[in-house]
Amino acid sequence: QKEVEQNSGPLSVPEGAIASLNCTYSDRGSQSFFWYRQYSGKSPELIMSIYSNGDKEDGRFTAQLNKASQYVSLLIRDSQPSDSATYLCAVIGGGYGNKLVFGAGTILRVKS
Amino acid sequence: DAGVTQSPTHLIKTRGQQVTLRCSPKSGHDTVSWYQQALGQGPQFIFQYYEEEERQRGNFPDRFSGHQFPNYSSELNVNALLLGDSALYLCASSLGGTTNQPQHFGDGTRLSIL
Repeated sequence: QKEVEQNSGPLSVPEGAIASLNCTYSDRGSQSFFWYRQYSGKSPELIMSIYSNGDKEDGRFTAQLNKASQYVSLLIRDSQPSDSATYLCAVIGGGYGNKLVFGAGTILRVKS
Repeated sequence: DAGVTQSPTHLIKTRGQQVTLRCSPKSGHDTVSWYQQALGQGPQFIFQYYEEEERQRGNFPDRFSGHQFPNYSSELNVNALLLGDSALYLCASSLGGTTNQPQHFGDGTRLSIL
């Protein structure tokens, strides 16, 4: 079992729709969770961090965390073609250190 | 406010050679982590430097080594290059060593091995 799992996609949504991206993780001791956006040929860009159960909103982005289910998601409202990218879920596991463990990413395509 | 800077942006080497990649952290950050990203995969953790010491290491062979300087900048060295070392090498900086502070990435160095 991979430590962090994401559906590779591609996930295709029409412009203006809500895009829902999901991630599960295996380490129950994990405390910190991040979403990064990566455009083709570029480096990952941090868009959201979440540490507590529940929802966290920032503009058009909402991160949701459920530690009991070991599940974290990212909602993008009013999706735009510029949101088309790979979205990487990253987790800092329990124990010593703060290395990020990444999923393989979900490709999102927003069609105009 | 300068972000994370990496050099060079691209590099072509042949098998068996050695390479050094460089990273300057974001202003105010004191911790540098290195990641390797193969095509179509998520970044894989190589190691992390804080207070000029390697604090944590991923599952990479000893051919991968690093250093952190007093000004917090860092180098990644790879010896005896293999074809499989071809990847995007990412440097990320953060604050406070082994904390849960977000890590911010540089633009990366794309390394190609012929």
